[in-house]
Amino acid sequence: EAQVTQNPRYLITVTGKKLTVTCSQNMNHEYMSWYRQDPGLGLRQIYYSMNVEVTDKGDVPEGYKVSRKEKRNFPLILESPSPNQTSLYFCASSFKGPDTQYFGPGTRLTVL
Amino acid sequence: GIQVEQSPPDLILQEGANSTLRCNFSDSVNNLQWFHQNPWGQLINLFYIPSGTKQNGRLSATTVATERYSLLYISSSQTTDSGVYFCAVGASGTYKYIFGTGTRLKVLA
Repeated sequence: EAQVTQNPRYLITVTGKKLTVTCSQNMNHEYMSWYRQDPGLGLRQIYYSMNVEVTDKGDVPEGYKVSRKEKRNFPLILESPSPNQTSLYFCASSFKGPDTQYFGPGTRLTVL
Repeated sequence: GIQVEQSPPDLILQEGANSTLRCNFSDSVNNLQWFHQNPWGQLINLFYIPSGTKQNGRLSATTVATERYSLLYISSSQTTDSGVYFCAVGASGTYKYIFGTGTRLKVLA
């Protein structure tokens, strides 16, 4: 089944404890992206990747890192999480940039 | 950067009614998608429609790129249509995506 998977789905952590949210797609898509969703703000793009080893900032990259070492994986790294990073995070992928995006199920992160 | 505005912000309908949701954008785009976020938080693709008109069952969408807007039509609404509808655009010349703040739809039985 074609899909985008994210892990974990739910995470409660404490300020400053490094964490990684994984994202994987099995559709051989070139483009992958991370978004965060906050009440009243809709979805905002954090980072995106056009292909392996090619990444760029979205609108809200501060406090996040990404890497794209393999085509199928695009992990989101929070090196020192803070409470303002409490949010619902979505990973998405598409065949190429300007194309239909498919979203993962979301990861609900709480930073205490 | 490009601005995306959706209207109305909230909509309550009786089952069976029709509705039109609007998405305005401030600059030329190379990509426009409509999504439905269901009450469980899942984001579901509805249409990829940077221009033209598409239909899928009770839903249809039209994008007039030259006038910088897109419309999503829902006919004979059902309670399962409830949720939030987002449009997302990719600004021409970039690979960034910008989402509107959504239209929250509630369909009453």
